[in-house]
Order: sequence, then structure tokens, then C-alpha cells
Amino acid sequence: AVRMTQSPSSFSASTGDRVTITCRASQGINGHLAWYQQEPGKAPKLLIYAASTLQSGVPSRFSGSGSGSDYTLTISSLQSEDFATYYCQQYYTYPMNTFGQGTKLEIK
Amino acid sequence: QVQLVESGGGVVQPGGSLKVSCKASGFIFSNYGMHWVRQAPGRGLEWVTFIRFDGGNIQYTDSVKGRFTISRDNSKNTLYLQMKSLRPEDTAVYYCAKDSPQAMDYWGQGTLVTVSS
Repeated sequence: AVRMTQSPSSFSASTGDRVTITCRASQGINGHLAWYQQEPGKAPKLLIYAASTLQSGVPSRFSGSGSGSDYTLTISSLQSEDFATYYCQQYYTYPMNTFGQGTKLEIK
Repeated sequence: QVQLVESGGGVVQPGGSLKVSCKASGFIFSNYGMHWVRQAPGRGLEWVTFIRFDGGNIQYTDSVKGRFTISRDNSKNTLYLQMKSLRPEDTAVYYCAKDSPQAMDYWGQGTLVTVSS
């Protein structure tokens, strides 16, 4: 099974900050990576797929990059609504997709 | 607009059974694969199972093989998850999610399954 490891597990930032979350796969996944945002008590929301393609309706301050086994999610300027938990997910072994453990982004 | 509405969650004793459902609307259900993903209280997301648009290519995570069964009724636009021999570690919010394909582009609000005596 492909294991996904996110870093950091949690951190604090301020509105307006640029933040980057990292996701590392236990093997190369050829760009088959998605990012999700989950607010407390709500369902996850797809932000990015194919490592860097923004899902329709997602603000352009979100971006994704990476290749091989290393991927990043960047938020260029944090807004109040961005404080949430973020998950990466690989679908290289589709349909048996696996998620990272999550990164909780909190207000400083 | 795409809507996925789960139902059927509740409290069940260890070793018991429960069937949860996911009613879909706003898209051609019979054209898309569907997933179940769960989230234990205070924990991360765990993929559970998948079914292809036509009911084929069914896959399960190892921890539920032989205990959970995914199915769908395309005439009713409904996805199901039959859960048997439930364990306390199966306690979670169960989400259904539409395959985009490959990523999961729409999710339901979830239904809570609690396994406890």
C-alpha cells in the first residue's frame, strides 16, 4: 500500500501569510494526487487534483505542485475561511486511494 | 446541483449489523463510480470501499473485507454500505463521495455510526 505522510501535522499562521503544506508518498505516484479542505463538522471539499489542477470554484490563492513522491499545497495569502484541516490523497492505486494524516491550520 | 445525502447511521452493539444509504441527485448517478470514506472521532480520513458505475470493480480496504458490502441501485440513484460484525473501531462518520473519476469531487454530509455496548 502507498503511504502518505503530511508535514507539518499542525501549525499556526496569520491572515495574509503564505503557507505551504507538504505531502510525501512512500513511492512515486506520477502526479496522481489530490488535496482536500475540511472545516470542523463539515465534509471534505476537493481543492486540487492531478497535483496542480484547481477544482472549479476554488480560489486562485490555492495552488499545488510536485512530482514523483513529493507534493506541496500552497496558499498564497491566508484568508479567515482557510483555517481548516487539509488532506492529501493519492489515487495512483485507484480506486484504493489513501489519505495523508491531515494538517490542521490554526490562527496564530 | 450535485447532492449526496447519507442516512441510516446509529448506535449498534459490537458484533451487530447496520446498513447505511446515500441518495444521489443532480448528476447521472449510473455514469459514476462511488466511494465510502470514514472518519473516526477526532481522526483523519480513511478510504473504505469503491464500486464502479455498473456495480463492478468493487474494492475494500483490508480492515473491512469480509464484513462490509458495498452495492448500488442505479434505478433508485442510491448507494449502500452493509456493515456486519461491527467492531468499536468501526465507529466513525461515514461519507459517500462521487468519483470524479479518481479524485472525489462531491461528498455527502456524512452519517455517524457508533459501535458500543
